[in-house]
Amino acid sequence: AQKITQTQPGMFVQEKEAVTLDCTYDTSDQSYGLFWYKQPSSGEMIFLIYQGSYDEQNATEGRYSLNFQKARKSANLVISASQLGDSAMYFCAMRRTSGNTPLVFGKGTRLSVIA
Amino acid sequence: KAGVTQTPRYLIKTRGQQVTLSCSPISGHRSVSWYQQTPGQGLQFLFEYFSETQRNKGNFPGRFSGRQFSNSRSEMNVSTLELGDSALYLCASSLEGRGLIDTQYFGPGTRLTVL
Repeated sequence: AQKITQTQPGMFVQEKEAVTLDCTYDTSDQSYGLFWYKQPSSGEMIFLIYQGSYDEQNATEGRYSLNFQKARKSANLVISASQLGDSAMYFCAMRRTSGNTPLVFGKGTRLSVIA
Repeated sequence: KAGVTQTPRYLIKTRGQQVTLSCSPISGHRSVSWYQQTPGQGLQFLFEYFSETQRNKGNFPGRFSGRQFSNSRSEMNVSTLELGDSALYLCASSLEGRGLIDTQYFGPGTRLTVL
């Protein structure tokens, strides 16, 4: 079975600073994908970034980067130059490659950006 | 390209009633997945449809059902509503639902309140 653990229920960051949101995962699969989603108070889940288990380079998408450490089974999200609009819930999720498997989500981290 | 749309956005029902939620995927996407989100249980997978067939199912009672039409639009139905069914119901679409690069894109959700 797959499991995602997000140990930070809530975090605060000053505007324009960088912040790291932690995510560890547990799986016996060799081939899998890791995803980060943002959920504002409106409810919609917004896809941010993806990392495949066989990707050697860390994924980046604009101000988002994923710090992938396979041996430690961690996939932390780094947001650079935080903006007030980054205040939201952030979910780490994974899904294995084989079969048509659903996303497994962590409990989420609530990020608050302070002016 | 238009995103995933869900209707209605908000719904209030009473115990014992039934409800139908609708989801229109991104144009060209053939896989539709449904998730339930509650404060206590987090995000849980309900089921996935592909080409009008249920391809995967989560651990929910038979009161939860769904279907997909030939245009990939999907509906989910909950019969004999219970108080615990109050949740945000999220629909996600993807191209074919397979593989690491097949990202799921979510709609804004339907917030169901059962009184």
